[in-house]
Amino acid sequence: QKEVEQNSGPLSVPEGAIASLNCTYSDRGSQSFFWYRQYSGKSPELIMFIYSNGDKEDGRFTAQLNKASQYVSLLIRDSQPSDSATYLCAVNLPPGSQGNLIFGKGTKLSVKP
Amino acid sequence: GAVVSQHPSWVICKSGTSVKIECRSLDFQATTMFWYRQFPKQSLMLMATSNEGSKATYEQGVEKDKFLINHASLTLSTLTVTSAHPEDSSFYICSAKDTYEQYFGPGTRLTVT
Repeated sequence: QKEVEQNSGPLSVPEGAIASLNCTYSDRGSQSFFWYRQYSGKSPELIMFIYSNGDKEDGRFTAQLNKASQYVSLLIRDSQPSDSATYLCAVNLPPGSQGNLIFGKGTKLSVKP
Repeated sequence: GAVVSQHPSWVICKSGTSVKIECRSLDFQATTMFWYRQFPKQSLMLMATSNEGSKATYEQGVEKDKFLINHASLTLSTLTVTSAHPEDSSFYICSAKDTYEQYFGPGTRLTVT
């Protein structure tokens, strides 16, 4: 059973702080990793994707991937109240699969002004 | 990023009737589209994977005769909820795959009375 695990939260951070969201996955063959943001009542929005070990930065967001530990994280610097949402980690199935994403249950982030 | 649209954005129907939801990829061709369902405060649940020109692949526990999926072209997939019941009330979200990434439509909120 391929799984993606996230802490459901809620994770509460003060405005301006760094929010750290974590995700682990079970299938070592996974090659693509995605972070989606979902506001209440809305559909998920792709924030970042990462394929290689290490860090990938995009504005206030940094995705970190460690394939040996089967761990992927998302850091949000200078957190804003507008970042309050549920963050979904998703992992792509290995090549040869249909390419469907396996989603974690999401971590709810609350940024307090 | 790529744009995926859904129509309608919300619909209310009476128990026993059928409802069709359209999903379109607006600026790319999607060989694979996915249909998800999300109940309040729960995670995304994949219902089926739809490939253009072939029968959809349904996840375990999803009734293929109740949730009819048609992927007639590379830019359009439809989900028809037949003989809808109140327990089918949910947020239905489609997603289209563009080479490596998966983009979500805005979702359709279905309420069955």
